[in-house]
Amino acid sequence: RKEVEQDPGPFNVPEGATVAFNCTYSNSASQSFFWYRQDCRKEPKLLMSVYSSGNEDGRFTAQLNRASQYISLLIRDSKLSDSATYLCVVNRYGNKLVFGAGTILRVKS
Amino acid sequence: GAVVSQHPSWVICKSGTSVKIECRSLDFQATTMFWYRQFPKQSLMLMATSNEGSKATYEQGVEKDKFLINHASLTLSTLTVTSAHPEDSSFYICSAAGTGGMNTEAFFGQGTRLTVV
Repeated sequence: RKEVEQDPGPFNVPEGATVAFNCTYSNSASQSFFWYRQDCRKEPKLLMSVYSSGNEDGRFTAQLNRASQYISLLIRDSKLSDSATYLCVVNRYGNKLVFGAGTILRVKS
Repeated sequence: GAVVSQHPSWVICKSGTSVKIECRSLDFQATTMFWYRQFPKQSLMLMATSNEGSKATYEQGVEKDKFLINHASLTLSTLTVTSAHPEDSSFYICSAAGTGGMNTEAFFGQGTRLTVV
């Protein structure tokens, strides 16, 4: 079993749609959690950290459920520019990041 | 935010040659840097942790004699792919963490796309 698992997608959605991605992690000792965005052939860029209380940044909302070892990302009012691969990332320890395989999002007009 | 610069951004080399990739933290000191590899349509996989002034620590299955890591200063880590073969063709990317503890953002270099022919 992979340490971080994501549905690879692709998720094909129209502009303006709301889309949700899920992620599970296996190491219960994981300390911190993130969503990164990766565009084709580029380096990953931090989208947002994920906190137990849930957090929101504009159209993006992230949730963490430590008991279920589950992380989610909700994108509202999807834009064409949101098309990318979304990586669920867990900080194992010592800033060693473990990446999920990514979920592909394609937003279409 | 902090900047990590990686060079070269792409390289094509002949089988059997060695390739050096540089990773620099431009505006902060990074005692630890990480090297990842990403094959097409796959996740980033941690290869090794580069520690300034000491030996790198390698993840299971990564050959330390093939992927030489040097972290001679607080701002520079290098990865040398020795005797490269076509199966080493991949996207190599480094990252460095800031100093804010476990929730610190990791800053990535731009990545190096290596093609071995």
